[in-house]
Amino acid sequence: QSALTQPPSASGSPGQSVTISCTGTSSDIGAYNYVSWYQQHPGKAPKLMISDVNKRPSGVPDRFSGSKSGNTASLTVSGLQGEDEAEYYCASYAGSFTLVFGGGTKLTVL
Amino acid sequence: EVQLVESGGGLVQPGGSLRLSCAASGFAFSTHDMHWVRQVKGKGLEWVSAIGKAGDAYYSVSVKGRFTLSRENARNSLYLQMDNLRAGDTAVYYCARGYCSGGTCHPHVDVWGQGTTVTVSS
Repeated sequence: QSALTQPPSASGSPGQSVTISCTGTSSDIGAYNYVSWYQQHPGKAPKLMISDVNKRPSGVPDRFSGSKSGNTASLTVSGLQGEDEAEYYCASYAGSFTLVFGGGTKLTVL
Repeated sequence: EVQLVESGGGLVQPGGSLRLSCAASGFAFSTHDMHWVRQVKGKGLEWVSAIGKAGDAYYSVSVKGRFTLSRENARNSLYLQMDNLRAGDTAVYYCARGYCSGGTCHPHVDVWGQGTTVTVSS
């Protein structure tokens, strides 16, 4: 199972919006509406930010939103804040309990 | 408080074995699938293995045949037996809970432990 493809970096100024893409295949992202996004700060465990393509778990700000089209999913962070600077990983269900992750995108708030 | 605490990591020689444990608390352990995800220092996340509520286990291609995942619901514990370890298995290993919301479980993970470090080196 190959990793999902994410851009290595993204950036935006405070208050702006930024979108991070995540490209998979017809066997993972394209096959299931089970895309998730995780935020990881240095030295910390990942945190679930988006599940089921576009659902925010309790406590996640509505500045975070997700979408999917075909084999590509996207995470949009609106109204960027300094605390949003982190590594972001996408993941998709790929059948038989298997998850496949993206390589990660480092989001920098300028 | 929902918590996952991993233990059992350490330094092991290539070809050796380690057994990782994950102690769960603050939630109904038996009602959740459980996963292990690993991360090489400075690199991305890699799914390793998962176990369903009934004890059915699944593995990534990279560890299948070498790792064995089990759970003991009475002890709220998860175990990952790692045999024939290779240098490429060196990573921080995270225990993670399968995500359930509104009575429905989804193939994501939500709660993560802080990780335990496995180093395979001679």
